[in-house]
Amino acid sequence: DAMVIQNPRYQVTQFGKPVTLSCSQTLNHNVMYWYQQKSSQAPKLLFHYYDKDFNNEADTPDNFQSRRPNTSFCFLDIRSPGLGDAAMYLCATSPPGTGVNIQYFGAGTRLSVL
Amino acid sequence: GEDVEQSLFLSVREGDSSVINCTYTDSSSTYLYWYKQEPGAGLQLLTYIFSNMDMKQDQRLTVLLNKKDKHLSLRIADTQTGDSAIYFCAERNQAGTALIFGKGTTLSVSS
Repeated sequence: DAMVIQNPRYQVTQFGKPVTLSCSQTLNHNVMYWYQQKSSQAPKLLFHYYDKDFNNEADTPDNFQSRRPNTSFCFLDIRSPGLGDAAMYLCATSPPGTGVNIQYFGAGTRLSVL
Repeated sequence: GEDVEQSLFLSVREGDSSVINCTYTDSSSTYLYWYKQEPGAGLQLLTYIFSNMDMKQDQRLTVLLNKKDKHLSLRIADTQTGDSAIYFCAERNQAGTALIFGKGTTLSVSS
């Protein structure tokens, strides 16, 4: 019954080798988010989609890109991973509107960079 | 800017009450949230409170909001070992588009 699914759960990549993380949802929510969570840190928003509208946070490095081909899927592309990009990456969804904005999270993908 | 602060660790005995505290900076926040993260898992919404409320109770959970001091707390009654996790306080950002999280409080429950 998983509603927000992230694949893979663990990803190992080499320094500088592009990597893609994926997220899918069965909730039909308009909004999808990508957060980066480093060890013992708060999840930090990288960007979000409102439908097909892409919203980048001002301090998100250019190395991070995202694609949303349809409502159900969203991808996080890291073009040239550095050691500092090792983290847990969390995908979340929420329905539209200015109300309570409950976000539903996937289990995350833990990225290691060698 | 927007910021959320929490104490990092709390240790309690099984059966005791746990109180996790949080302070936030944005007085215009309309909703404040508590999320729980178990090891290796994503974040799960525990509860939320609307800014015009002082208190919200949901089974073993009680949320208290002091808007004047910008202080939020989560009380867990009769804490169980299964409550061991990281608890994140969060507020909505000013644009209303995302959540600003604290660093999380690690709750350790001993039997």
